[in-house]
Amino acid sequence: DAKTTQPPSMDCAEGRAANLPCNHSTISGNEYVYWYRQIHSQGPQYIIHGLKNNETNEMASLIITEDRKSSTLILPHATLRDTAVYYCIVSHDYKLSFGAGTTVTVRA
Amino acid sequence: DTAVSQTPKYLVTQMGNDKSIKCEQNLGHDTMYWYKQDSKKFLKIMFSYNNKELIINETVPNRFSPKSPDKAHLNLHINSLELGDSAVYFCASSQDRGPPVFGPGTRLTVL
Repeated sequence: DAKTTQPPSMDCAEGRAANLPCNHSTISGNEYVYWYRQIHSQGPQYIIHGLKNNETNEMASLIITEDRKSSTLILPHATLRDTAVYYCIVSHDYKLSFGAGTTVTVRA
Repeated sequence: DTAVSQTPKYLVTQMGNDKSIKCEQNLGHDTMYWYKQDSKKFLKIMFSYNNKELIINETVPNRFSPKSPDKAHLNLHINSLELGDSAVYFCASSQDRGPPVFGPGTRLTVL
């Protein structure tokens, strides 16, 4: 599976949009981009995934570049409860490999 | 309604003991997994079962043995526990290669 690169940490103001970048320049044509988050001491929580097209659900939006070498997870209105480690994962099957992720801190 | 549940939540034991962690999912999923999160917070897949059959077995010591009595359960047995086995173990399940749903985790501490 392709590896991903994420910034180790980022801060976000409460109520503002949080844009989380992810680079996956070696992604293959059949690999999906998954986003999960892990709030302290809890199990990873699925957020969203996509293959080529942009995706949106009740939690977030996923923007994938046309060449698929990078993507951005957008939390439209960050709240304090969105403070977590966010993982960007690229995989062609259900075997997900988690990296270090981005620690997102939402500040009041 | 708990989707993926694990018991116990915390497990403290001595080196050399044998212990089990139980996992149950009520989502009707056909695939279940065990992941391990070490002290550095990296989450790695250990095993995967599809319809009670083992389909992924990463380089995990054979002291770890998963057992799936039915599609809704995947238990993890660990023999001769070692200090390095201390970690948080997460069970997960998925359907038709969809994104896995994770359980709350079991924190294992080996003394």
